[in-house]
Parts: sequence; structure tokens; C-alpha cells
Amino acid sequence: GDSVTQMEGPVTLSEEAFLTINCTYTATGYPSLFWYVQYPGEGLQLLLKATKADDKGSNKGFEATYRKETTSFHLEKGSVQVSDSAVYFCALKGDFGNEKLTFGTGTRLTIIP
Amino acid sequence: GAGVSQSPSNKVTEKGKDVELRCDPISGHTALYWYRQSLGQGLEFLIYFQGNSAPDKSGLPSDRFSAERTGGSVSTLTIQRTQQEDSAVYLCASSPRPSVSSYNEQFFGPGTRLTVL
Repeated sequence: GDSVTQMEGPVTLSEEAFLTINCTYTATGYPSLFWYVQYPGEGLQLLLKATKADDKGSNKGFEATYRKETTSFHLEKGSVQVSDSAVYFCALKGDFGNEKLTFGTGTRLTIIP
Repeated sequence: GAGVSQSPSNKVTEKGKDVELRCDPISGHTALYWYRQSLGQGLEFLIYFQGNSAPDKSGLPSDRFSAERTGGSVSTLTIQRTQQEDSAVYLCASSPRPSVSSYNEQFFGPGTRLTVL
């Protein structure tokens, strides 16, 4: 079945540092890939998505590129801020008709000033 | 407009009791999903409703779990004879009707934290 393997945390960085959170997946067909974020005390929110190979999703300074050859969707940000402290989840959705999301285990990110 | 709402926000129950968790999706959304977020298992899919189609129940962990969706809107997740391993945050999400040409974002509610003593 489909699965997502995500870099385990927690991750602690200083403000303005470069961030990478690794994510790889296993799926049949042509999945869509997502990063979700859960800020403290808030619900799960979509951060960015990519629906086909070589697509780059971006939002709020975060980027991730759908790499079919390496089955990866790593999350990156060039300069993190304290407000980026949250739990980040990599997820995939299978082909049309298979609407459920399969999530990674989540990575807790803490940014210190 | 209003987002997905869930009630109660917290529920503490004793082992062996039944519980009902409620989800109100975003108005007009035809798809509704239940997920569970627990320490041991991460975020897992439970069940998916789309319009009047038969639900996808493939994620329900046991026959103690069931869900229904009345009138294509509100959904109730029922857990019978609760066990301590059922303790988790239960998340509901809704989205517009899925289509081949686009991904319809799933909007998540705040969750219900269930604690089974």
C-alpha cells in the first residue's frame, strides 16, 4: 500500500537558518504530494502541494519539488522565522478515486531567536 | 465562511463506554473524511464519505468503530466499548467534490481529543 517516510524530529534551528525536512514515498500510479502544517493550538492546514512529477509547490517561502525518480518531496526554506515553529506533515493522495490522504509521522520544528 | 467544526473538543470516558464524536463540514462540501492522530500511529485515515456513494471504510481499525453521515452533511463517528488504545485526537475534514482535473483541498477541523481511562 501507499506509505510516506518522513525525517523524524524534533528539529531545532536558529532564526534565519536553512531548513530541509526530508520526505520519501511509496505509491502506485501517479500520486499527488502535500505538506501540511499544524501550528501550536491550531488545526491542520495545507502548506503546499504538487500534483505531478517535476512540479514545485511553494507557499510562505517554503518549497518542495515532486521528484519521481527519487520518490521524494523534501520541504525547504531558505531562512526560517520563529513563527515557522510547528509540526510539519508530508502526505500523499493516490490516483483519482482514491481520495484518502496517507501521512508521514510528522516533524516538530522549533526555531529559536 | 465557517470552517469545519467538531464537538466535543475534549472527551474523557471510561474503558468500555461508547462515545459519539460529531463533525459539521463546510457548507456545500460533498466529501467528508475522518482521521485519527495518535502518538503510536501518527495520522491515519479512518473513513471517507462522498455524496450518496457507499463510504470507504477501509481505515476503520475494528468493528467497534462506525460512522454515518446524515443528509449528506453532519457526520457522527461512534466508538463502542472504548479501549485505552482508542485514546487519540480524531480529526474531521471536508472538501468539494473530487475531480479528475484538480485536487480539492481537504479542510480540517480542530479535532476531538478522546481520552479513555
